[in-house]
Parts: sequence; structure tokens; C-alpha cells
Amino acid sequence: SQELEQSPQSLIVQEGKNLTINCTSSKTLYGLYWYKQKYGEGLIFLMMLQKGGEEKSHEKITAKLDEKKQQSSLHITASQPSHAGIYLCGAEAGTYKYIFGTGTRLKVLA
Amino acid sequence: NAGVTQTPKFRILKIGQSMTLQCTQDMNHNYMYWYRQDPGMGLKLIYYSVGAGITDKGEVPNGYNVSRSTTEDFPLRLELAAPSQTSVYFCASKSGGISYEQYFGPGTRLTVT
Repeated sequence: SQELEQSPQSLIVQEGKNLTINCTSSKTLYGLYWYKQKYGEGLIFLMMLQKGGEEKSHEKITAKLDEKKQQSSLHITASQPSHAGIYLCGAEAGTYKYIFGTGTRLKVLA
Repeated sequence: NAGVTQTPKFRILKIGQSMTLQCTQDMNHNYMYWYRQDPGMGLKLIYYSVGAGITDKGEVPNGYNVSRSTTEDFPLRLELAAPSQTSVYFCASKSGGISYEQYFGPGTRLTVT
């Protein structure tokens, strides 16, 4: 079965620093989703990547899917306290089914 | 639109009790999902539905049941609650098949003691 592994599991950065979160799949990805979860709340959709080499940006967050479609990275530029939370990658794992990574907990120190 | 709503927000159950977690969406989405999230873990799919009257098992369905009598509602039933079912439960919906993002509810935090 397909699995998603995220790294690092947790991250503490100083405000203003850049950071990267990785998501690696055991199988080819046909749809990779990035979500953000604030502590104690539901998930908020950030971006979806489908094509090998695809890159999308929203405000200070950029996500990329590698050419082989087995790894994605999420990059935050000039981090702010509002970026704090849990970042999860998710993927299509068959018809109508999704799997998720274990998440990366991000803390941004002001 | 309220989006995806879940009730209750918190619940404490005793071992062996039963309960229903409610999920409603007002976006006319065909696809609905139930996940559980254990501490430090990602989300595991319990059940999903592709339309009214159609449901199927996900990765961890044991101990749960679902029904989908309307497009809007997708309740999750726990029978004979066990401590292993202590978790945060999320309901989600989406409009289409592949390549559509899911919209999540705020979650129900369940403790079984």
C-alpha cells in the first residue's frame, strides 16, 4: 500500500527564516495535496500539484512536485508566527481514497 | 455557506457505550469522508461515500458504521466504544473525483474511558 513520509516531524524557526518541509511517497503520486492544520482545528487546503515538475505559490508558500512525482516540498519564505501549525501532505491512493502523511509541526518564534 | 459542520465538538464515552457523530455539508458535494487522527499521526480513512446510498470502507473501518441517506448528511456510528477509539474525528467532503480538494469540518474530539 502507498505511504507518505514527511520530514522533519517538527520544526522550530525564528521569525523571518525560510524553511522547507518534505513529503516522500512510496509510489508515484497522481495528485499531491498540502493542507495546514491549526492546533485543535480542521484542515485548510493550501495547494494541489499534479504534474511532474509543477510548482505553485500562494503568498509566501511555494510547493513543488519533482519530475518523478514521488516527492514534494513545501517552502515558506520569511516565516511569520501566523505560519505556525501542522502541515500535512495528502495524496490520491486509489479511486476516491486518500492517504495523509504524519504531519510536520511548525513553530515560529517571534 | 457553513461548509462542513460536525457535532458534537467534544464527547467523553464510557467503554461499551454507543454514539453517533454528525456531519453535514451544504455545498452539494457528492463525496464525503470520515477520518480519525491519533496524536502525532496523520489522518486515517474510516469510511467514505460517493453519493447518497453508496458507502465503502476505508483503511480502519472496524468498530464503526456509516449511512448516507441524503447528499448533505454522513453520520458515523460507534458501537460498543473502546479506548482504542479515543481520537479526533474529521469529516470531509469534495465536489468531484480526482483532483478536487477536500473541505474539512472542525473535528470531534472523542475520549473513551
